[in-house]
Order: sequence, then C-alpha cells, then structure tokens
Amino acid sequence: NAGVTQTPKFQVLKTGQSMTLQCAQDMNHEYMSWYRQDPGMGLRLIHYSVGAGITDQGEVPNGYNVSRSTTEDFPLRLLSAAPSQTSVYFCASSPGLLAGGGGYTFGSGTRLTVV
Amino acid sequence: AQSVTQLDSHVSVSEGTPVLLRCNYSSSYSPSLFWYVQHPNKGLQLLLKYTSAATLVKGINGFEAEFKKSETSFHLTKPSAHMSDAAEYFCVVSKGNTPLVFGKGTRLSVIA
Repeated sequence: NAGVTQTPKFQVLKTGQSMTLQCAQDMNHEYMSWYRQDPGMGLRLIHYSVGAGITDQGEVPNGYNVSRSTTEDFPLRLLSAAPSQTSVYFCASSPGLLAGGGGYTFGSGTRLTVV
Repeated sequence: AQSVTQLDSHVSVSEGTPVLLRCNYSSSYSPSLFWYVQHPNKGLQLLLKYTSAATLVKGINGFEAEFKKSETSFHLTKPSAHMSDAAEYFCVVSKGNTPLVFGKGTRLSVIA
C-alpha cells in the first residue's frame, strides 16, 4: 500500500550541481505530475505525463527535465541547480479517464535547498 | 484556461465557531473542483471533490463545499472549528484528468 513514493525527502545541492528526484507509484496510474511549492504561491506545475513515453511542460518547466519510460516511474532532473530552485517538490499520480477519473494521490514531498 | 482564486490568504477563527474559506474558479468547461489540506510540514490530503454530481459535497472531518455555477464559487465550510483544523487549504480545479491548477492557498488559524 505504498501509493506514491518520493526520494529523497531532503537534499542540499550546490549551485551548478545536477540531481534526479525520484517518483514511483504502484497504482498503475496513467497520469503523473511534478509540482513545486513555494510560500504564497500554492503549487505550480513543472511537467506532467499522460502515459509512458508522453510528457509535456507545465507552468514552470525551465531548468527541469523529465522522462516516462515506464508507467510506474516519473523522475525529475535538475540539470544545473540554481538557488531559485530551492523549494518543496511534490509528485502526484491519477488514474486516467478510462479508469473513471478521480483525484490525485500525492507523494510526501522532497525539500530541496540549493546553496 | 482554468484558474482558481482563493479570496483570503489567511483566516483566523475561534475554536467552536464556523469556518468559511472562499474560492472562485474560472473554467471554459464544466470543471472538477477539489479542496486539499496540508498540515505543517506534511503532504497534501484530499478533503473533498466535486465532479458534476450533487452540488453540495461532503468531505472528511466535517468539511463540506457547495458548487455554485452562477457565482463560479466553491467555498469550503465547517460548522465548528477544531484546533486540529489549523492548516493550509488549497482550492484546485481541473478538467477531467488534466493537470491540477492550484490556488495560492488559505492559511487557517484556530484560536483556543
């Protein structure tokens, strides 16, 4: 009964470093998304995927890459970390329309600090 | 394009008094609407959702929300606040399973 699993929970990076935030779900959900949460801004969509092999940009995609090679995994890559990417990152998944729709399930978040 | 506006960034109530968190939405289609809650340093939990069935939606922990198409509103209410209700609340809109669009959040404080 894992749901959506994000790793790591905390990370400190130096400016210019790269890293990958991992997201895995075991519910066979079609839709997966990455959001970042900043104070007073709510959650903003970075990238999303409607199925394996299909990804698209959200509201704030610059500086991030994603891929979706399997249904279960949706990693988020920071290519060259910047202090402006200090944030809390949430991964979410949802069943597709053919599965009857429904709400999203969120991971517990990754708190990233870039110094 | 879809969007939500949460009309108050911070609401403070006394324990035992009613809670009202206001949300207006904008959508070109019949939307799905959600309220999520986030307790300090925690993840997001779904409180309730509206998906074109009954306009009055009941959620967990005594919360409910009413979809009013004429007013494009989806306000969240609770008859009596508890200390444990202190958290950040997000109003969210989507069309089908398109990505969720979040409001900026309302912080609810409950005073003993």
